[in-house]
Amino acid sequence: DVKVTQSSRYLVKRTGEKVFLECVQDMDHENMFWYRQDPGLGLRLIYFSYDVKMKEKGDIPEGYSVSREKKERFSLILESASTNQTSMYLCASSAFSVPYEQYFGPGTRLTVT
Amino acid sequence: GESVGLHLPTLSVQEGDNSIINCAYSNSASDYFIWYKQESGKGPQFIIDIRSNMDKRQGQRVTVLLNKTVKHLSLQIAATQPGDSAVYFCAVNQGGKLIFGQGTELSVKP
Repeated sequence: DVKVTQSSRYLVKRTGEKVFLECVQDMDHENMFWYRQDPGLGLRLIYFSYDVKMKEKGDIPEGYSVSREKKERFSLILESASTNQTSMYLCASSAFSVPYEQYFGPGTRLTVT
Repeated sequence: GESVGLHLPTLSVQEGDNSIINCAYSNSASDYFIWYKQESGKGPQFIIDIRSNMDKRQGQRVTVLLNKTVKHLSLQIAATQPGDSAVYFCAVNQGGKLIFGQGTELSVKP
């Protein structure tokens, strides 16, 4: 079974803190994605990566950055957390040959106070 | 760009009945469509997909129908069970990225 794991299920941070969300996949997938999920807005793409050291902006990259130093790991960084970044964060991965067949992790519920 | 919409945010069905969840998309050049299921507390799970050169695809108790003329797709679940209770998302491929609809929450009444 494809497994995508995220470092935390729940996280509470204060405004201005630097936040790291980690994602690891075990299927040797080339592609990795970070989404946020908000009620009424669905899933929105923050950043994605097609290869190690490579990153591309998604639809809502502002306030976020990412890091992909190893193929299996994709990190999302909130440089200075703000309350409007309170959300559910979902990581996904897919193979290069079938990029649209994405496998998701369980999500991290981040609350910024 | 692509936009994806769902017709109903919630749907309630009786156990054993068939469920139909609908989705509309905007880009007629879209080539690949996927349905995901998201249970409470979990990430979305791939259910079934369909390419634009097909009208219908069947899986286990699920069928996806694609009408390219009106840019509409639907997910049909046969003999709906309590375990089918979840939020269902359609997603449209856009150059390897997925554009998601907002989701329909399916509730199954015993």
